[in-house]
Amino acid sequence: KQEVTQIPAALSVPEGENLVLNCSFTDSAIYNLQWFRQDPGKGLTSLLLIQSSQREQTSGRLNASLDKSSGRSTLYIAASQPGDSATYLCAVCAGANSKLTFGKGITLSVRP
Amino acid sequence: NAGVTQTPKFQVLKTGQSMTLQCAQDMNHNSMYWYRQDPGMGLRLIYYSASEGTTDKGEVPNGYNVSRLNKREFSLRLESAAPSQTSVYFCASSEFGWGTRSSTDTQYFGPGTRLTVL
Repeated sequence: KQEVTQIPAALSVPEGENLVLNCSFTDSAIYNLQWFRQDPGKGLTSLLLIQSSQREQTSGRLNASLDKSSGRSTLYIAASQPGDSATYLCAVCAGANSKLTFGKGITLSVRP
Repeated sequence: NAGVTQTPKFQVLKTGQSMTLQCAQDMNHNSMYWYRQDPGMGLRLIYYSASEGTTDKGEVPNGYNVSRLNKREFSLRLESAAPSQTSVYFCASSEFGWGTRSSTDTQYFGPGTRLTVL
C-alpha cells in the first residue's frame, strides 16, 4: 500500500527566506506526483505536477523535484512571502483512474 | 467556469439523521471523487466515479453511498449519520476516465462541506 509522508507537520519562517518542503513515498511505481496548496477553510489548489519521467517542474517562485528511485520529492519556495502561508500537500498517483494518495500536509507560516 | 461546486457549505446533523451532499462540475470531466479530511488523518478517498454510471469504493466507504447522476453531478449520501462522520468533505474531478492511466491528469477540488454530527 502506498504511503506518503510529509515532515515536519508545521514550519514557521521569516519573510524572504528560501525554503524546502519534503515529501516521501513508499512505492516508486507512480505515474505522477502532485503538490497542492490549501488555504484555511478552503479546498485544494494544484500547484505543480511532475510526471514520472520528469525530474522537476517550475512555476514562478516554486520548483518541485522528483527522485523516484529514492521515493522523494521536494517543493522549493524562493523568497517566501506572508501570502505563501498555507498548508502544502503532496500526493502521488500510482494507479488507474487518477486516484491520489495524499500526505498529511505541512502547514507553513511566513512571518512578516 | 465555476469549476467544482458543493452544497451545502455547512451542515449540522443529529445522530441517525440522513443527508445528501451535492457536487457538480462544469469542466466536462469524466472522473469525480469524494474525500473526507480529518485532523491528523489527511485526505482519504471515500468513493470515486471514473465515468457516468460507474462508482467504486475508496479507502473509507463504510456508512456512505454515492450516485453519479450524470456526467456533471456526483452526490454523497449519509443514510444514518454518526458522530464519527463529523468531517470536512471535498468533491473533486479530473479529466480522464475509466481505465485511463494519464501521467498528466490532475484533480480540481470544490470548496468543501463542513459537517458536524451531534
